[in-house]
Amino acid sequence: GENVEQHPSTLSVQEGDSAVIKCTYSDSASNYFPWYKQELGKGPQLIIDIRSNVGEKKDQRIAVTLNKTAKHFSLHITETQPEDSAVYFCAATIDLNTGNQFYFGTGTSLTVIP
Amino acid sequence: ETGVTQSPTHLIKTRGQQVTLRCSSQSGHNTVSWYQQALGQGPQFIFQYYREEENGRGNFPPRFSGLQFPNYSSELNVNALELDDSALYLCASGRVEGNTIYFGEGSWLTVV
Repeated sequence: GENVEQHPSTLSVQEGDSAVIKCTYSDSASNYFPWYKQELGKGPQLIIDIRSNVGEKKDQRIAVTLNKTAKHFSLHITETQPEDSAVYFCAATIDLNTGNQFYFGTGTSLTVIP
Repeated sequence: ETGVTQSPTHLIKTRGQQVTLRCSSQSGHNTVSWYQQALGQGPQFIFQYYREEENGRGNFPPRFSGLQFPNYSSELNVNALELDDSALYLCASGRVEGNTIYFGEGSWLTVV
C-alpha cells in the first residue's frame, strides 16, 4: 500500500516568516493530495489540495507544489501568523470515483512565535 | 465547521467492553469513513461505507465494525476493547464521485 512520509515533525518560525512542510509518497498511482490543519482538541480541517494533473496551487498565503516524478509534494505558508500554529498533515489517495482510502503523514507541529 | 458531527466527544471504557460511536454526515455527502488517530500520529483508515455497505477496509481486525444508515449517518462499533484502542476516532464524509473528505471533531476514547 501507499506510504506517506512527512518532514519535519516540528517547526518553529518567527511571525511573518515562511514555513515549508514536505511529504513524499510511494505509490505512483496516487493522484490526489490534500493538506489538513488540526488544532488542539479538534478534527483535521482541509486547507488546500492538489491533483496530479497540476504542479502548483495557491490560496492566499498557502500554496502546495507537487513533483510527480520525484513523488513529493510540499506545503508553503507565507507571512505566518500566530493562528497558523497547529499540526499539519499531508495525505495521499488514489481517486477511483468509487471511494478511496487516505494515507496520512505523521504530522508537523508548527509553532509561530510572535 | 464541516457539518460532520460526532458523539460522544469523550468517553472512558474498561478493557473488554464494547463501544458505539456515532456520526452524522454533511448534507449532500454519500460516503462516510472512519479513522483512528493515536496520540502524536496521523489518522489511520479503518473503513469506508457507501450505499450502506463497507466499501474498503484498512488494517483493523473484525472487532471493528460499522454501519451506514439511509440518512447517511453512521456508527463505529468496537468489541472486546483493548488498551491500545485508546485514541481519537474521526468520522469523515464525502462524495464517492469526488476526492475530498471532511472530518468531524472526533470522539476521544480512553480504555482503562
